[in-house]
Amino acid sequence: GDSVTQMEGPVTLSEEAFLTINCTYTATGYPSLFWYVQYPGEGLQLLLKATKADDKGSNKGFEATYRKETTSFHLEKGSVQVSDSAVYFCALTRPHSGGGADGLTFGKGTHLIIQP
Amino acid sequence: DTEVTQTPKHLVMGMTNKKSLKCEQHMGHRAMYWYKQKAKKPPELMFVYSYEKLSINESVPSRFSPECPNSSLLNLHLHALQPEDSALYLCASSQGMGQPQHFGDGTRLSIL
Repeated sequence: GDSVTQMEGPVTLSEEAFLTINCTYTATGYPSLFWYVQYPGEGLQLLLKATKADDKGSNKGFEATYRKETTSFHLEKGSVQVSDSAVYFCALTRPHSGGGADGLTFGKGTHLIIQP
Repeated sequence: DTEVTQTPKHLVMGMTNKKSLKCEQHMGHRAMYWYKQKAKKPPELMFVYSYEKLSINESVPSRFSPECPNSSLLNLHLHALQPEDSALYLCASSQGMGQPQHFGDGTRLSIL
């Protein structure tokens, strides 16, 4: 079945450091890929998305590129802030075999801690 | 502000109680979802509704009963829950296949 693998952390960085969170996936066909962020006590917020190979998703300084040849969707940010501290989930979705809407398959989540 | 609204935000119930979780969205989305999230774990899919019809049930115990009264509303009826059912229950909606899902802030459920 489908699966997503990401580094679990916690990942601790200093403010203004460069961030990379690795994400690789296993899926048949052509999944859509997403990064979600979850702050304490809240639901998940969509951070960025990519729906086909070589698409680059970007939002709030975060970027990720859909690499089909390496089945990867790594999250990057050039300069992190304390407010970026949260849990980040890589996820995929693909058409359900019955043709209807599809659920998300998540990685285990990466806890990111940014120190001032 | 989240565009998917879940009520209540917190719920404490005994194992013999019956309660319902509610979810509402006004984005015109035709797919709605229930997920269960345990502490320090990713969300796990429970149910998917597409055009108000149940399309996916991930082998969820019958003590959880979903209902989709119309395209904007999704309920989760709870009965005879177990302590291990304590978790954050998240509702989401999307435009459909392959599209991003938008989540509510969840209902934090505690079973005594």
